[in-house]
Amino acid sequence: DVKVTQSSRYLVKRTGEKVFLECVQDMDHENMFWYRQDPGLGLRLIYFSYDVKMKEKGDIPEGYSVSREKKERFSLILESASTNQTSMYLCASSLQGAHNQPQHFGDGTRLSIL
Amino acid sequence: AQSVTQLGSHVSVSEGALVLLRCNYSSSVPPYLFWYVQYPNQGLQLLLKYTSAATLVKGINGFEAEFKKSETSFHLTKPSAHMSDAAEYFCAAIYSGAGSYQLTFGKGTKLSVIP
Repeated sequence: DVKVTQSSRYLVKRTGEKVFLECVQDMDHENMFWYRQDPGLGLRLIYFSYDVKMKEKGDIPEGYSVSREKKERFSLILESASTNQTSMYLCASSLQGAHNQPQHFGDGTRLSIL
Repeated sequence: AQSVTQLGSHVSVSEGALVLLRCNYSSSVPPYLFWYVQYPNQGLQLLLKYTSAATLVKGINGFEAEFKKSETSFHLTKPSAHMSDAAEYFCAAIYSGAGSYQLTFGKGTKLSVIP
């Protein structure tokens, strides 16, 4: 079974802090994704990566950056956290090749910015 | 822009009743379609996926979905609801014509099961 592990289930940070959310997958997937989930808005794609050191902006990249130094690890960075970034953050990974490969999700990180 | 629409943000059914959650996609070229379930404070778990091999797709936990090209739909059903089915359900699509692996999600439907 694919395992996508997010480093923290719950995280509380202060406004202006630099925040790192880590995600590791163990199935050698090429594709990795970061989403945020908010009530009534569903899941929105922040950034994604199809290869090491490669990154692409999703629908809402403002205020975020990412790092993919190793294939199995994809980090989301909040450069200067703000209260409107309080949300549930979900990481996912998938295989390349056929486009019918599902994404596999971690358990999420519930981030509160005070 | 290509989209996925889920009719009804909240659905309530009685325990033992039929579950029907609706999903429509927007493209004339059928995408790859998926249903995910999310239990409280957890990530998304794959229920089933449509990959054009068969129009009726069986998934985990007794769920199935039927692909209907004429209706651009991929509705999720379960004959008899169980209390443990209470969760949020997301329909999603990969529109491969865009050359990407990105999922387009519906807004989700929260299913409540009444004892």
